[in-house]
This record gives sequence, C-alpha cells and structure tokens, in this order.
Amino acid sequence: KAGVTQTPRYLIKTRGQQVTLSCSPISGHRSVSWYQQTPGQGLQFLFEYFSETQRNKGNFPGRFSGRQFSNSRSEMNVSTLELGDSALYLCASSFSGLAGTDTQYFGPGTRLTVL
Amino acid sequence: SQQGEEDPQALSIQEGENATMNCSYKTSINNLQWYRQNSGRGLVHLILIRSNEREKHSGRLRVTLDTSKKSSSLLITASRAADTASYFCATVRSNDYKLSFGAGTTVTVRA
Repeated sequence: KAGVTQTPRYLIKTRGQQVTLSCSPISGHRSVSWYQQTPGQGLQFLFEYFSETQRNKGNFPGRFSGRQFSNSRSEMNVSTLELGDSALYLCASSFSGLAGTDTQYFGPGTRLTVL
Repeated sequence: SQQGEEDPQALSIQEGENATMNCSYKTSINNLQWYRQNSGRGLVHLILIRSNEREKHSGRLRVTLDTSKKSSSLLITASRAADTASYFCATVRSNDYKLSFGAGTTVTVRA
C-alpha cells in the first residue's frame, strides 16, 4: 500500500496570503489528523477528520481550517498567514476510530515558510 | 500545551550500547505512544501502550508504563547508527483522545 502523501512538500508564502495543503491518506483509512511542528512549540495537534466531519480540534485560531472529502483526502487551509505559521505541517491517517486510540501513519510533511 | 516531557533532551551513545529515554506526563491517560522522527521528516509510530499495560516489546524496543508515577520509558537495545533520530512520546488523555506530544529526545548513535 502506498503511504500517506502530502503536497506540496515545500511552500514559500508571504505574510497575509493564504495557503492550502493537501493530504492523501493510506487507502482504506478514514481518519486524518493534522499537526504543526515548530522548534519553539514542538508538535501540536490541529484537528482530526473522520468521514468528512471534524471530530476533534486543537487550540489554534480560526485562521486554521480543514476539510475532508468523501474519498478521505483532506486539505487544511491557513488564511492571513503570519510569520509564526512557518512550520512543518504533518498529516497522519489511521484506519478507524479516534486518532488517539489507533496507530497513526504520518506523511513526510509540508514545510511552509512565511516571509 | 505539551502533556509529555522527555528526559534527557539529548543522548549520545556508541553503537551497540543501549539507549534509555523517559517520558513524564501530568493527567490520566488512555494510552501512551512513542514515535521516531528522522531529520525533520514524518514521524514513524513505534509502540502504543495502553493504560492497563505495564510493558511492551517490539524488536529491540522495550516500553514500560507506570501510571502511578505518570511516567514511561523507552529502551533501545544494541543501538545502531540508523537509530539516530528524535524520539517523541505522545499521550492520549482519556477525555479527549487528542495526541499530545512531548518535546522529544534527540539520540545520536556514534559508529
């Protein structure tokens, strides 16, 4: 089976712009979670989607949003980019249930740089 | 906020030696997971240990969980250069099922 894929792998944006990141889960996986990783804050949970519904959410401002499509592919969007949004954004998929109770398989991440 | 805290922050060992890292957390958990990350790439799931389990093994990895002390340890036996990576513990609280990661332990295995 192919692993979790994320596109694009690298992205450079300027402050104020918006960005959309994409994640394709492992075939058959219905849960997709997103994480932000920065040197200062470490790995932080953004949100989780299951069957096109947001099931869990971390403590991020409303500028961060996501969605999941019927084929389980997911996108996350960050509007009005700030310098502090520069990070590695990781997507993870799992087969069933709540993300925290099932093995999660991570993609390689999208490295976002905001100038 | 990070629920888990790893100790030490960094570890340098010789190939063949064992590496031990610890994770402490604050609130009751459903399970605790360990992940490995190579050079800022994606995370690889290593082991999940549930709150009613005390020890799990996977190949050269051994994880223990002490819920009374709110701590876990990851032991890598007979380390190899390929084990050089950052290791993270992630806790899953019983009430919200979100993964909360610690800051990680950076392990360097010298040849």
